[in-house]
Amino acid sequence: GAGVSQSPSNKVTEKGKDVELRCDPISGHTALYWYRQSLGQGLEFLIYFQGNSAPDKSGLPSDRFSAERTGGSVSTLTIQRTQQEDSAVYLCASSLEVAGGRPQETQYFGPGTRLLVL
Amino acid sequence: DAKTTQPPSMDCAEGRAANLPCNHSTISGNEYVYWYRQIHSQGPQYIIHGLKNNETNEMASLIITEDRKSSTLILPHATLRDTAVYYCIVSGSSNTGKLIFGQGTTLQVKP
Repeated sequence: GAGVSQSPSNKVTEKGKDVELRCDPISGHTALYWYRQSLGQGLEFLIYFQGNSAPDKSGLPSDRFSAERTGGSVSTLTIQRTQQEDSAVYLCASSLEVAGGRPQETQYFGPGTRLLVL
Repeated sequence: DAKTTQPPSMDCAEGRAANLPCNHSTISGNEYVYWYRQIHSQGPQYIIHGLKNNETNEMASLIITEDRKSSTLILPHATLRDTAVYYCIVSGSSNTGKLIFGQGTTLQVKP
């Protein structure tokens, strides 16, 4: 079946502009995650969705970052007033739940969106 | 979540077994050991996970020591396509399932 898809694959923007990144998770996966990987850095967690709600937003680096999920499926990560330090690969992942509603750590990642802020 | 320690890099000859170690001395009883890998310019890929028993699937084997303080990921017959960064992650104690990635081990498979 189809995996996690993300769009656009690449985005170049000017400092100060807003950008929207999209994630289509695997059908039926209730848990959705956003991660960020900066050049030469490891992957860092940004936000977790369970259905349409986000019980863990602890990784969002500033209030310029926001995300939403609608219909328990597609998610959008928005970065307002982009800065050069926002340049990174933004990765989305999804997973199923285990019994009791807790999400699995077996996550399926998309190919990422490479964001370059000039 | 507990932290893990991995060597920054390793080499392996093509066709030989690649053995990637991971230390997780502060792992708690309900936490699992997960392994992911990231091939250049791709998203991470799940490989295998285990709690305390050794596990094997079509990609790899996972050997966990009896005290659970360390583990080894084994790729039985490494190919050039196995060149990647391999991440050992301990998880399972949170309600979110989020993964905390370290720096991983860069495995270079050489012909």
